[in-house]
Amino acid sequence: EVQLLESGGGLVQPGGSLRLSCAASGFIFSNYGMTWVRQAPGKGLEWVSGISAGEESTDYADSVKGRVTISRDTSKNILFLQMNSLRAEDTAVYFCAKVADTVSAFDIWGQGTMVTVSS
Amino acid sequence: ESVLTQSPGTLSLSPGERATLSCRASQSISSSYLAWYQQKPDQAPRLLIYDASRRATGIPDRFSGSGSGTDFTLTISRLEPEDFAVYYCQRFVPSPPGWTFGQGTKVEIK
Repeated sequence: EVQLLESGGGLVQPGGSLRLSCAASGFIFSNYGMTWVRQAPGKGLEWVSGISAGEESTDYADSVKGRVTISRDTSKNILFLQMNSLRAEDTAVYFCAKVADTVSAFDIWGQGTMVTVSS
Repeated sequence: ESVLTQSPGTLSLSPGERATLSCRASQSISSSYLAWYQQKPDQAPRLLIYDASRRATGIPDRFSGSGSGTDFTLTISRLEPEDFAVYYCQRFVPSPPGWTFGQGTKVEIK
């Protein structure tokens, strides 16, 4: 079964750091680009970051650029999102997602992990 | 910056009716770069349509996508009870690579 399972969310103070993980199974992880998408409470979807299959390319939304780093461990089939200098507006459910063969869409999603930035 | 605008914000319909959801881009985009998702409360989004008109694996044929340029449409031919949800369109920007979502259309039971 194709599956993505996020972990690492929690409560963090403004200015703090958090590292999210996404464990992949059921597909050849190294063959696909991966992304992070977030959703603030009661709001819509916002793309956060993406990484290519071979790790040669990483991309970020302007809202997180310079504060967030995406990476992947192909040997363990895990995607990461290192988040620093967190702000209240980063409070959201963070989903990891697999980029489809078509590249333009995300065909497999995890269930999400909640990040709350508050003092 | 390319913006996707979805309309209406909320669509109130009864089971069995036809739903027509609109997604308008501020700049013309390739049909290959437009996708639609369904999201139910407390669930992850689910890919419905990619390349503007291709159904994703396992998606019933009552869902269809169409459009080109700046205007795209998701149609649900006959609403089933499980179709009441929020729908998002999404576009891919190839350079620099990135994705943007519309603000969503909620399809609710009338």
